Amino acid sequence: GENVEQHPSTLSVQEGDSAVIKCTYSDSASNYFPWYKQELGKRPQLIIDIRSNVGEKKDQRIAVTLNKTAKHFSLHITETQPEDSAVYFCAACRGGYQKVTFGTGTKLQVIP
Amino acid sequence: KAGVTQTPRYLIKTRGQQVTLSCSPISGHRSVSWYQQTPGQGLQFLFEYFSETQRNKGNFPGRFSGRQFSNSRSEMNVSTLELGDSALYLCASKMMTEGGEAFFGQGTRLTVV
Repeated sequence: GENVEQHPSTLSVQEGDSAVIKCTYSDSASNYFPWYKQELGKRPQLIIDIRSNVGEKKDQRIAVTLNKTAKHFSLHITETQPEDSAVYFCAACRGGYQKVTFGTGTKLQVIP
Repeated sequence: KAGVTQTPRYLIKTRGQQVTLSCSPISGHRSVSWYQQTPGQGLQFLFEYFSETQRNKGNFPGRFSGRQFSNSRSEMNVSTLELGDSALYLCASKMMTEGGEAFFGQGTRLTVV
């Protein structure tokens, strides 16, 4: 089955710096890669996603890049703010969302 | 419109008991997936239901089962509870379109003592 590795497990950055979270997947048939943000005590919420026919997608301070050959994708957050502090999960999906495997999460702490 | 609703929010059970959790998806969403979230294992996929049929299943023992009703509401059952089943159980609903967003409920916090 699919295996998704996510690194780092924890990440501390100074406010205003950039944060990068990386994920690798094993199933070359995976074609949809969402990223979820989960604030403490709250439900995961989709922040950005990318499909396998796209190499990069950007939404304001958040961007995701995908390298299909190497089977890895990354989340980039620029100009981090304290409200970016949360746990971030990557996921790799086949068939849109039929078979989904999540990474183990990255706890991001933005220090004011 | 109303989001994904999970009941109950908190549950304490004893080892060996069974438990049923409920998930009401967003109106119009026909796909419901269940996940187990623990500090050490992150989010692990349990199963997905669509039109009352289980479409996919994760790597969990047969003690974990589920079903979906004609109104798309879903239930998850865990029999013969073990201490290791203590976790946050999340469900997510989706319209079942390619690459569409999955919306999560608040989860049910299950504690097995």
